[in-house]
Amino acid sequence: GDSVTQMEGPVTLSEEAFLTINCTYTATGYPSLFWYVQYPGEGLQLLLKATKADDKGSNKGFEATYRKETTSFHLEKGSVQVSDSAVYFCALSSGAGSYQLTFGKGTKLSVIP
Amino acid sequence: GAVVSQHPSRVICKSGTSVKIECRSLDFQATTMFWYRQFPKQSLMLMATSNEGSKATYEQGVEKDKFLINHASLTLSTLTVTSAHPEDSSFYICSARAPGHFIYEQYFGPGTRLTVT
Repeated sequence: GDSVTQMEGPVTLSEEAFLTINCTYTATGYPSLFWYVQYPGEGLQLLLKATKADDKGSNKGFEATYRKETTSFHLEKGSVQVSDSAVYFCALSSGAGSYQLTFGKGTKLSVIP
Repeated sequence: GAVVSQHPSRVICKSGTSVKIECRSLDFQATTMFWYRQFPKQSLMLMATSNEGSKATYEQGVEKDKFLINHASLTLSTLTVTSAHPEDSSFYICSARAPGHFIYEQYFGPGTRLTVT
């Protein structure tokens, strides 16, 4: 079945540091890939997505590239801010008529001033 | 666009009582809604998929008689936790697919924190 593996946290960074959160997946077919962010006490918000190989999703300074050869979708940001502190979830939808999302376990990011 | 709300945001109930959680799509009609459960510091677990006007499809291991899901209209789905017990305490999140948007994208509500005492 489908699965998503992302690096375990928590991750603590200083403001303006570079961020990478690794995500790899296992899926049949050609999944769509997502990064969701969850701020404390809130639901999930879509951060970015990529729907086919070599696509790069980007939003709010975050980027992730769909790498089919390595089955990866790593999240990066060049300079994090305190406001980026949240839990980040990598997810996939395998398509083929199934609309279900499979989530990774989440990575908690804390950015300190 | 594509805003999903949940009510209540927090609820505390006594063991043995039932609790209803509402999930509404505010600016679109959602033919499909999803209900998730999230334990502390863990990922989201899909409980069921709800299609308007039909019975919900429950994931393996989810008790359909305990977690009653009703999707009576295109903008409202409800989750009722029947005869709640402390182990049902959790964060419940709903999501919905929005017509005209990328078909595999889901929009999430803010979640409901259920505490059973």
